[in-house]
Amino acid sequence: EVQLVESGGGLVQPGGSLRLSCAASGLTFSTYSMDWVRQAPGKGLEWLSYISRSSATIHYADSVRGRFTVSRDNAKNSLYLQMNSLRDEDTAVYYCANIHFDYWGQGALVTVSS
Amino acid sequence: EIVLTQSPATLSLSPGERATLSCRASQSVSSHLAWYQQKPGQAPRLLIYDASNRATGIPARFSGSGSGTDFTLTISSLEPEDFAVYYCQQRSSWPALTFGGGTKVEI
Repeated sequence: EVQLVESGGGLVQPGGSLRLSCAASGLTFSTYSMDWVRQAPGKGLEWLSYISRSSATIHYADSVRGRFTVSRDNAKNSLYLQMNSLRDEDTAVYYCANIHFDYWGQGALVTVSS
Repeated sequence: EIVLTQSPATLSLSPGERATLSCRASQSVSSHLAWYQQKPGQAPRLLIYDASNRATGIPARFSGSGSGTDFTLTISSLEPEDFAVYYCQQRSSWPALTFGGGTKVEI
């Protein structure tokens, strides 16, 4: 069974940092490009970033470019999202998903508030 | 940015009825459109990809159609578990993927 499990969410003050992890199992992680998507409370879905299988290609949405950094460790079957300079509007549930979006994690809640 | 507009925002139906959900793109996305179902507290679930292909394990009562700028998700006969929010997503402007605002199907 394929599982993607996010961790690292929590409460952080504006301007602070947080690192999300996404642990993959049940699939050959190194063969999948991966994405991050978020969903603000009561709102729709927003694509955030893409990372290729080898990390050679990375893309970001304008809303997070320069503040968020995506990375992966294929040896650890893990995907990461380093979030810096967090703002109130970054409050959301953050999901990792594979390139085809047929596998999603359960989500990690990030709350940015003073 | 390609904007996806979903209508209606809310669809009130009963089990057994047919549901027709619309997604309109601000410019052509060819057939690069997907549909997702999301229930409260859960991650989205892929239903349809490339406009009309059912994802693995998705029941035949779900079907997708359309190309260019106008797309439709049809649920032929609503089951109780189908009451949820549905999102469309375009993959034409990859990597800048965008989602529609969602349609809530309620009883």
